[in-house]
Amino acid sequence: DTAVSQTPKYLVTQMGNDKSIKCEQNLGHDTMYWYKQDSKKFLKIMFSYNNKELIINETVPNRFSPKSPDKAHLNLHINSLELGDSAVYFCASSQRGSLTYEQYFGPGTRLTVT
Amino acid sequence: SQQGEEDPQALSIQEGENATMNCSYKTSINNLQWYRQNSGRGLVHLILIRSNEREKHSGRLRVTLDTSKKSSSLLITASRAADTASYFCATANNNNDMRFGAGTRLTVKP
Repeated sequence: DTAVSQTPKYLVTQMGNDKSIKCEQNLGHDTMYWYKQDSKKFLKIMFSYNNKELIINETVPNRFSPKSPDKAHLNLHINSLELGDSAVYFCASSQRGSLTYEQYFGPGTRLTVT
Repeated sequence: SQQGEEDPQALSIQEGENATMNCSYKTSINNLQWYRQNSGRGLVHLILIRSNEREKHSGRLRVTLDTSKKSSSLLITASRAADTASYFCATANNNNDMRFGAGTRLTVKP
């Protein structure tokens, strides 16, 4: 069984559109994350979220918003997509939110904005 | 900004040889983690070493941490073709901030 799953795997869309990427974890973890990996393979944390606290990387534009219907899901909604948003987005989860626990990553969603 | 910097950026070795990758960072950390990423896949956690630890082993992997030099190394012994992947170090500090390096691309030739 897949521990952390993301859908879709590939997403191609035009500038200005609004899109969502879904993430689910079946590990019973308390904390989930969203990362962005650019074309140079740099991986940057965007959000970390548990049922008590949302921590936002201050460099993330407010067009990006995480939405969590329950502890096992953290979806990423993106408004008014821009060319620079093209990247691979990874969801991850960990047992606790202190970053002293290993993270389990999803397979990634490759977003291409045209 | 990136925290960890892996060295070398790319490494190519023959199967059976050892592979050593280094990671340097700039600020104080709570722990340092190494991850592997196969092409087109998500990251897989390898080892977490805390700031008060100096060395950890896991199978063919050995990780060292020198907080005075702000550096860590990942050694893969008796490498296999299946070890071909990108390896990332990630540092976590007490402010709940986690930073990844740009990775080392390891190629193990059969």
